[in-house]
Amino acid sequence: RKEVEQDPGPFNVPEGATVAFNCTYSNSASQSFFWYRQDCRKEPKLLMSVYSSGNEDGRFTAQLNRASQYISLLIRDSKLSDSATYLCVVNMNGFQKLVFGTGTRLLVSP
Amino acid sequence: EPEVTQTPSHQVTQMGQEVILRCVPISNHLYFYWYRQILGQKVEFLVSFYNNEISEKSEIFDDQFSVERPDGSNFTLKIRSTKLEDSAMYFCASSVGAVYGYTFGSGTRLTVV
Repeated sequence: RKEVEQDPGPFNVPEGATVAFNCTYSNSASQSFFWYRQDCRKEPKLLMSVYSSGNEDGRFTAQLNRASQYISLLIRDSKLSDSATYLCVVNMNGFQKLVFGTGTRLLVSP
Repeated sequence: EPEVTQTPSHQVTQMGQEVILRCVPISNHLYFYWYRQILGQKVEFLVSFYNNEISEKSEIFDDQFSVERPDGSNFTLKIRSTKLEDSAMYFCASSVGAVYGYTFGSGTRLTVV
């Protein structure tokens, strides 16, 4: 099983739509979780951390289910500028490296 | 906003040549990293560096690779004898600790011909 697994997409949605991405991770010792955004040929940028209780940042909501080893990202009222690849990222306790999923590509159209 | 700076943005080198990729991490960060991303593939961990030594490295980070923090600001990745398969985007990152996430530099695109 891959350390971090995501559906590669692409997800094609119209502006204003709500879209959800899912991610699973293999190591139950994982402690920190993030969603990063990557535009084409650019560096990954931290979108938000994911907390056990779930958290929201504007139009973005992240959820964590430790029992199922599952992370989600919900984007409401999609904008054209949301078009990017969304990377699920996990850190295992005691280690400094972050492990990246392959990413889910989102295309928002007018 | 503080940023991680990488130079050069693009480097073309011949197979077998040595390359040095340079990074200036964020000044109050303690942990430094190199990642690479082959075109169309995922971001892969190479190495982490803390307190002037390697703290973790991946299987990719073999004897051809080395890292150094030669002074108080720069962090370098050296590839001794480049291979065609080393062609990728190399990202430097820094953090106050991985639990807080990283800040990435804009990357160096390495093309080995």
